[in-house]
Amino acid sequence: QKEVEQNSGPLSVPEGAIASLNCTYSDRVSQSFFWYRQYSGKSPELIMSIYSNGDKEDGRFTAQLNKASQYVSLLIRDSQPSDSATYLCAVNMYGGSQGNLIFGKGTKLSVKP
Amino acid sequence: DTAVSQTPKYLVTQMGNDKSIKCEQNLGHDTMYWYKQDSKKFLKIMFSYNNKELIINETVPNRFSPKSPDKAHLNLHINSLELGDSAVYFCASSLGTVGSNQPQHFGDGTRLSIL
Repeated sequence: QKEVEQNSGPLSVPEGAIASLNCTYSDRVSQSFFWYRQYSGKSPELIMSIYSNGDKEDGRFTAQLNKASQYVSLLIRDSQPSDSATYLCAVNMYGGSQGNLIFGKGTKLSVKP
Repeated sequence: DTAVSQTPKYLVTQMGNDKSIKCEQNLGHDTMYWYKQDSKKFLKIMFSYNNKELIINETVPNRFSPKSPDKAHLNLHINSLELGDSAVYFCASSLGTVGSNQPQHFGDGTRLSIL
C-alpha cells in the first residue's frame, strides 16, 4: 500500500516563529515531491516542489528532502497569520508514465498573532 | 485568465439523480485529473487522462464515468447518486503525465451535496 503520512495537527505557532511540517512516504522509488497549501473552502495551491536530496528555498519557505529516510519537510520562517491553512504533502509514487500522485491527509497550521 | 475552471461550483441534488461536472483548462497541459476530497479533507485521485486517453482509473464505482472530448476538457458524469458521493470534486491538470514530475494545478472545486 503506497502511503504518505502527515501529522494532522493542528500545529499552532506564534507569529514570527518557524513552522515545521513533516511528511513520510512509503515508496522508495518516488522521484518528485510537492507541498500544497489549502485554505478552508479553497482549492490546493502549489507552493513548493522538490526532486533532489537537500534543501530548496523559496522566500520564507524551505523544502527539505531525505530520500534515504523517505522524509520530506516544509519549513515556514517568520510565520504569518495568513499562513494559517492546511498543508498537503504529495508524492509521485511508482514513477514512469503510469505514476500516481498520492496526497497525505494534511497538517493544519494555525499561526497566532 | 489562464486557469483550470470547473462548473458548477455548487451542486445540490437528490439521491438517485444523475449529474455532470465539467472541467476545462487553458494552460496547454497534456494531462487532466479528477480528485475527490471527503469530509475529512483527504484528497484522493479518481481518474487521469493524457491527451484524451484514460491512464489512471482508481477503484471508483462504475457509476462515475469520465469523458474527455479533447485534451483541454475532462468531464465527470455520475449516475444514481448516493449519500456517500457528497464531497468536493477537484479537477486538476499538469504538463506531461505524473511520471514527468510536473506539478498539478487545481480548479476551484465542485461541492456536491446529496439530499
